[in-house]
Amino acid sequence: DAKTTQPNSMESNEEEPVHLPCNHSTISGTDYIHWYRQLPSQGPEYVIHGLTSNVNNRMASLAIAEDRKSSTLILHRATLRDAAVYYCILRATSGTYKYIFGTGTRLKVLA
Amino acid sequence: EAQVTQNPRYLITVTGKKLTVTCSQNMNHEYMSWYRQDPGLGLRQIYYSMNVEVTDKGDVPEGYKVSRKEKRNFPLILESPSPNQTSLYFCASKIGQGEYNEQFFGPGTRLTVL
Repeated sequence: DAKTTQPNSMESNEEEPVHLPCNHSTISGTDYIHWYRQLPSQGPEYVIHGLTSNVNNRMASLAIAEDRKSSTLILHRATLRDAAVYYCILRATSGTYKYIFGTGTRLKVLA
Repeated sequence: EAQVTQNPRYLITVTGKKLTVTCSQNMNHEYMSWYRQDPGLGLRQIYYSMNVEVTDKGDVPEGYKVSRKEKRNFPLILESPSPNQTSLYFCASKIGQGEYNEQFFGPGTRLTVL
């Protein structure tokens, strides 16, 4: 099965950019990289996804390494509301719809 | 409002007493899934369903059953709950079979098995 590795926790100051890394060295060539976040006492919510190229949306940017073995979620200006656990997710095995969430990175934003 | 609903939100039960946690979505999504979340272990997938009458095991299916008789509903059944199934459970759904489609999660069900 695919595996993701993320730091357990990170801190950022408010209004500063945050770079959340994820290692996924076992990713297959056709699998998307997904990022979700979980705010306190809520279910996870979608943030962004990508395949090969860097991606931007209103919430964040996703930078994908050329070899696809790692990616970085970028929050351009962290706010207190961005404090959450961020999960980098892959399919467990290419061709299935079984997903591996892992333990995620707890982001603390300092005022 | 497009949403995934779960019932009950909180449940305390005893070992061996069968229970069902319901999940319903109003977005006409083909894919539905159940996850459990435990401290230090993150989210782990229990079962998923690609469409009506099509289900498959996730990472931790032991001790659970599911059924998908209607597109909108995907109940999670614990035939004989045990204390190690005490956890926070999330149901999710997404449109179609495309891997890139986002999953929508319910609010969670906190289950305690004594």
